[in-house]
Amino acid sequence: GQQLNQSPQSMFIQEGEDVSMNCTSSSIFNTWLWYKQDPGEGPVLLIALYKAGELTSNGRLTAQFGITRKDSFLNISASIPSDVGIYFCAGQLGSGNTGKLIFGQGTTLQVKP
Amino acid sequence: NAGVTQTPKFQVLKTGQSMTLQCAQDMNHNSMYWYRQDPGMGLRLIYYSASEGTTDKGEVPNGYNVSRLNKREFSLRLESAAPSQTSVYFCASRGLISYNEQFFGPGTRLTVL
Repeated sequence: GQQLNQSPQSMFIQEGEDVSMNCTSSSIFNTWLWYKQDPGEGPVLLIALYKAGELTSNGRLTAQFGITRKDSFLNISASIPSDVGIYFCAGQLGSGNTGKLIFGQGTTLQVKP
Repeated sequence: NAGVTQTPKFQVLKTGQSMTLQCAQDMNHNSMYWYRQDPGMGLRLIYYSASEGTTDKGEVPNGYNVSRLNKREFSLRLESAAPSQTSVYFCASRGLISYNEQFFGPGTRLTVL
């Protein structure tokens, strides 16, 4: 089936450092979403991107929809301990109304105080 | 407004037993989804319901059945549980005006012995 390649798989950083993660695919997506999952919880939407080239911020988070529509990145600036969790990218293929998403494998982030 | 709720939170089954996972949303959303999450594999779509009265297979439907009971509720049934179905199961919903943004429940952690 379709796949999203998300990297890195895991990161262990110092509090205050910036973080960058990305997703790539061989397929073209018309929507990119970034979710965060806290331990024992369901994923929560962080940022949604709908146009190629779009750059969107949400507090310390910034995400971009790649110009080729085959990739997206998420940056977190000045990380804090509560940023710990698993970050997922998700994309929707085509323009159908099913809303079906394909998820990346996730990036596990650990922040050392 | 509780969002998406799932019951039970935890369940242990023996191989061959059956059970139904319940999901309900109070956001008047049209579309609902069932995913399973396994370590290192992101979220994989089992079944979805684009609108009340319709259901379709996702990426990994084998061993599962679903029922869209009404607009609010979407249940997932395991007729004869197998150890390979040990996983965390998430339900999600999406409204017409929220583009492709899916909202997730807290998950059901299922172990099949």
